[in-house]
Parts: sequence; structure tokens; C-alpha cells
Amino acid sequence: DIQLTQSPSFLSTSVGDRVTITCRASQVISDSLAWYQHKPGKAPKLLVFLASKLENGVPSRFSGSRFGTEYTLTISTLQPEDFATYYCQQYHSAPVTFGQGTKLEIK
Amino acid sequence: EVQLVESGGGLVKPGGSLRLSCAASGFTFTYYSMTWVRQAPGKGLEWVSSISSNTTYIQYADSVKGRFTISRDNARDSIYLQMDSLRAEDTAVYYCATNVGGTIDAFDYWGQGTLVTVSS
Repeated sequence: DIQLTQSPSFLSTSVGDRVTITCRASQVISDSLAWYQHKPGKAPKLLVFLASKLENGVPSRFSGSRFGTEYTLTISTLQPEDFATYYCQQYHSAPVTFGQGTKLEIK
Repeated sequence: EVQLVESGGGLVKPGGSLRLSCAASGFTFTYYSMTWVRQAPGKGLEWVSSISSNTTYIQYADSVKGRFTISRDNARDSIYLQMDSLRAEDTAVYYCATNVGGTIDAFDYWGQGTLVTVSS
């Protein structure tokens, strides 16, 4: 199975900060990577697919990029509603797998 | 508006069975592969099973293979997850989701989830 390693696991941050979350794949997965936002008691929300394509309706402060097998999700200016847990997911090959998550907490 | 509504969760004893349902609306259900994903308490997201639009392609996580069965009824715009031989480690919120494209893909719409608790 393809392993995804996210870093950091926790991030204490403030409104207005620039945030970068990294996801490293254990093997080549091309652009077959998605990012999700998940808030407690809510449905997960797709933010980015194909490594850098923004899902319809997602604010432009979110962006995704890829360098080799390392993927990043960047939030340019953190808003209060962005405090949540973020997951990467690969869909290059079965079984699809998720990273362990990155929880953004208010500093 | 796309809606996915899960139901059927609850408290069950180890070794017991439960059947989850997911009712879909707001899109052409027959076109899309569908998936179950779960989240155990305090843990991350875990893919459970996926089924293609015409049921020819079905996959399971190793952790549930042989115990869980995914199915769909395109006439009722619904998918199901029959869970047998349940274990404590199956305790989780179970989400259904639509696949963006194929059976191995990202998931663009999710339900709110249904809680399954396996405990004696």
C-alpha cells in the first residue's frame, strides 16, 4: 500500500498567518492526490484534486502544489473558519490511502 | 443540491451485524462510483470500500475484507454496507461519498456520517 506521511501533525497558528502542510508519498503517485478539510461533526470537504486543482467554490486562499513525491497545501491568509483537520489522500492505486491528518489549532 | 444521508448506525455487540444505508439525491446516481470511509474515535480517515456505477468493480480494505459487503440499488439511488462479524475496532463514524470519476478516485461529496459502536 502507498503510505502518505503528513507534517506537521499539529500546528498552532493565528488568523492571518500563512500555513503550509506537507504530504509525502512512499512512491510515485503522479498528480493523483487530493486534500480535504474536516471539522468535528461535519462532512469532510474536498479542497484540491489532481494535486493542484481547486474544487469549485473553494476560496482562492487555498492552493496545492507538487514537487516529486512531496505535496503541499497552502493557506495564504488563515481565516477563522479554516481551523480544522486537513487530510491528503492518494488515488493513484488501490487501496486509496489517507495521510494521518494535520490539525490546525488557534494559538 | 447533492445530498448523501447515511442511516443504520447504532450499538451492536462484538460478533454482531449491522446494515448501513446511504440515500443519494441531487445528481444522476447511476453515473457514479460510490465509497464508504470511516473515522474511528480520535483517529484519521480510513477508506473502507468502493463500488463502481454498474457494480462490476468492488474493492475492500484488508481490515474488512470477508466481513463487510458493499452493494447498491440504482433504482433507489442508494448504497449499502452490510457489516458482519463486527469487532470493537470497527467502532467509527461511517461516511458515504461520491467518487469524482472512477472507482479509485477522490471523493467530492460526503454525507454527515452515521456512528457505529461495537461494544458488549
